[in-house]
Amino acid sequence: QSVLTQPPSVSGAPGQRVTISCTGSSSNIGAGYDVHWYQQLPGTAPKLLIYGNSNRPSGVPDRFSGSKSGTSASLAITGLQAEDEADYYCQSYDSSLSGHWVFGGGTKLTVL
Amino acid sequence: QVTLRESGPALVKPTQTLTLTCTFSGFSLSTSGMCVSWIRQPPGKALEWLALIDWDDDKYYSTSLKTRLTISKDTSKNQVVLTMTNMDPVDTATYYCARGRSPFDYWGQGTLVTVSS
Repeated sequence: QSVLTQPPSVSGAPGQRVTISCTGSSSNIGAGYDVHWYQQLPGTAPKLLIYGNSNRPSGVPDRFSGSKSGTSASLAITGLQAEDEADYYCQSYDSSLSGHWVFGGGTKLTVL
Repeated sequence: QVTLRESGPALVKPTQTLTLTCTFSGFSLSTSGMCVSWIRQPPGKALEWLALIDWDDDKYYSTSLKTRLTISKDTSKNQVVLTMTNMDPVDTATYYCARGRSPFDYWGQGTLVTVSS
């Protein structure tokens, strides 16, 4: 059971917009800790996609955007492309006694 | 250019101790603010943060695994080592090292460790 909750799967047709949610609590996202997003293409290591809630590293297309509000965060992908099919993970920090750096359970994006 | 590479055994037996090495380039762990973490991913499952060591030799461990984990660094060799004792089949996973503490901005390719007799 992950500390951050993501939907197991989302899907969309090429060109469409999809969003992936990441729900936390008052000891992580709600406490003000930043949310980061990673993209994991099949058979590869995760790659940083969004950092500090809404910032894109150099080279990441502006089709990818992030936001945060309260105890949740979201990743939006517009103009969906076939190469976007991957697993997406949110990540933050948890200040509870059992916490440290935590990941969501991951969301599989399928491009129809 | 920042790179990280994990190395270690592909197969370990139950109860054995796993030792993994992360060899990196493009940054120094003696630089203030620098950190390296270990993160694992069982087949078909989510990422799990395991341990972190920073430039000041401060160490942090997953609460659920801290009795089994030890992280250390050799700054002169640009290496970080993770040991995990008493390995079990449920520890079968791809083990990644990554730079940073939040976010993890560069990742190694990962090394698959299978625990089986």
